Formats: sequence, C-alpha cells, structure tokens
Amino acid sequence: SQTIHQWPATLVQPVGSPLSLECTVEGTSNPNLYWYRQAAGRGLQLLFYSVGIGQISSEVPQNLSASRPQDRQFILSSKKLLLSDSGFYLCAWTRGGDEETQYFGPGTRLLVL
Amino acid sequence: AQKVTQAQTEISVVEKEDVTLDCVYETRDTTYYLFWYKQPPSGELVFLIRRNSFDEQNEISGRYSWNFQKSTSSFNFTITASQVVDSAVYFCALSEETSYDKVIFGPGTSLSVIP
Repeated sequence: SQTIHQWPATLVQPVGSPLSLECTVEGTSNPNLYWYRQAAGRGLQLLFYSVGIGQISSEVPQNLSASRPQDRQFILSSKKLLLSDSGFYLCAWTRGGDEETQYFGPGTRLLVL
Repeated sequence: AQKVTQAQTEISVVEKEDVTLDCVYETRDTTYYLFWYKQPPSGELVFLIRRNSFDEQNEISGRYSWNFQKSTSSFNFTITASQVVDSAVYFCALSEETSYDKVIFGPGTSLSVIP
C-alpha cells in the first residue's frame, strides 16, 4: 500500500529565516506530487506540482520554491520567510496519467512570527 | 471564474439530522472527474469519492450518498443521520480532461454536528 509522509508536523519560525519542508511517498513509483497551502479558515491553494524528477511547475509566484531531487521526494523551501507564509502545508500525490485522485499527507503547520 | 462553487460556507446541524452539502462545477470538457474530500480537525484531507463525467449513477456508502446531475452541473453530498464525528470541512473538487495534472478545489463547507 502507498503512504505519504510529511515533516515536520509543526514548525515555528521567525520572519526572515529559511524553510525546508519535506514530503515523501512510499509504495509507488513516478507519482505526480503537489504542494498546497491552506491559510487559516480558507481553501486550498496549489503552490507547485511535479510530474517527474527535476520537473517543477509553479502556480503562484512568491518567495517559495520546490524541488524534486528523487522520484518520491518533494521539498518545499524558502530562503526568507514572510509572515504571510504562515499556514497549513499539504503534500499530495497521484499515480499520474489518467489516475488523478489525489491522496494527501498529514500536513505541516507553519507559524511565522 | 470559479470552477467549483460551494455556496454553503458553514452549516450546523443537530446530531441525527440529515444534511446536504452543495457543489456546483463549471467545465467545458466532456470528460472530467469530481471528488469529495473530508478534512477533520486534525487537518489531513481524506478522499471520499471520485465520480467520472460519464457515470451519473448516484452512489451510497453507508450514511453517505452522492447525487451527480450533469444537467445542473452539481455533485451534492448528503450525510444521513449525522454524527459528531462528521464535523469537518468538506471539499468538492474537479479534474478536467485537458488538465488532469491539476485538481481544482472548491472553497469548502464547514460542517458542525452538535450533539
């Protein structure tokens, strides 16, 4: 069976500090991977998605970036966090192709102070 | 233009009542998929159902049922005999044939079931 992991689960960071959130998927190969952000009480905002190693599509221009160094690893980064980066970050995967059901990880709660 | 509309921002019901969550979508594709997800207070989104555009048959799973009507572009979700554990935010979502790589989520409906 497939599982998706995210860490850390929670993070409190000062403004201007760097960020690295990690997402890994087990039990599948060549998945499509996604990063979403959910502000408090709001909907899901797609940030990045990747259909393969080194392939990143950005949906929203901002101070965040994503990388996919390995097939089942997806990393969300920032060099300098802003207050507005606070939120709940969710990673998701699909099998790719026509299999578009997204399965989500447990999420990371980020608070920027 | 918003492609997935969930007009109900918040709903409160008393336990054991039935409740219907509305979802209206917009697409020009003839082939597409619709989804419902549940987000309990813990935060993780839980996949509930996927329905493709060629299958308008309604589905029932325990206390959950889904009513898909292409004529009105709606994919409504009904919980029968609601329970406190049903309290969550529910998201409707759309995946279009022309962009299967991306799923479009609605804004969500927050359901509170009061004991």
